[in-house]
Amino acid sequence: EVQLVESGGVVVQPGGSLRLSCAASGFTFDDYAMHWVRQAPGKGLEWVSLISWDGGSTYYADSVKGRFTISRDNSKNSLYLQMNSLRAEDTALYYCAKDSAFGGVIVSLFDYWGQGTLVTVSS
Amino acid sequence: DIQMTQSPSTLSASVGDRVTITCRASQSISSWLAWYQQKPGKAPKLLIYKASSLESGVPSRFSGSGSGTEFTLTISSLQPDDFATYYCQQYNSYSGLTFGGGTKVEIK
Repeated sequence: EVQLVESGGVVVQPGGSLRLSCAASGFTFDDYAMHWVRQAPGKGLEWVSLISWDGGSTYYADSVKGRFTISRDNSKNSLYLQMNSLRAEDTALYYCAKDSAFGGVIVSLFDYWGQGTLVTVSS
Repeated sequence: DIQMTQSPSTLSASVGDRVTITCRASQSISSWLAWYQQKPGKAPKLLIYKASSLESGVPSRFSGSGSGTEFTLTISSLQPDDFATYYCQQYNSYSGLTFGGGTKVEIK
């Protein structure tokens, strides 16, 4: 059974930093690209970032470019999101999501999601 | 970025009703369109991909259609478990994907 378990969400002050983690199991982690998607309270879904199967390619939404860094450790079946210079508008539930395409291909279609971890940016 | 516009934003319906949700893209996305269902406090669930392909395990009362810039999600006979929020997502560009604003399906 595929499982994605996010952690690391807390209350942080504006301008602060935070690292989110996502532990993956139930599939061959290094066969798939991975994503972060966020959802502000009571709002819709916003794609945040994408990393290729080997970590060699990364992509970001304009809203987080230059502030967030996505990474992965395939030896630990883990995905990360380093979040710097946090703003109030970054307050959201952050989901880790698995790309549906196998073998190094990226389609940005999400077949499995974690339960999310809540990041609150507030003074 | 490609903008995705869903309508309506809220829909009131009864069990057994046929329900249709529309999603429009600001430019052509061919058939690179997915639909997700999200229930309160839960992660989204993939229902439809490539505009009309049903994800494994999803009931056949769900169907999708369209191409280019206009797409629809249809629930042929609404069931109690279907009251949720539905999102469309374009994946024409894997690094510029965007979601629609969502359609909440409520009990009439």
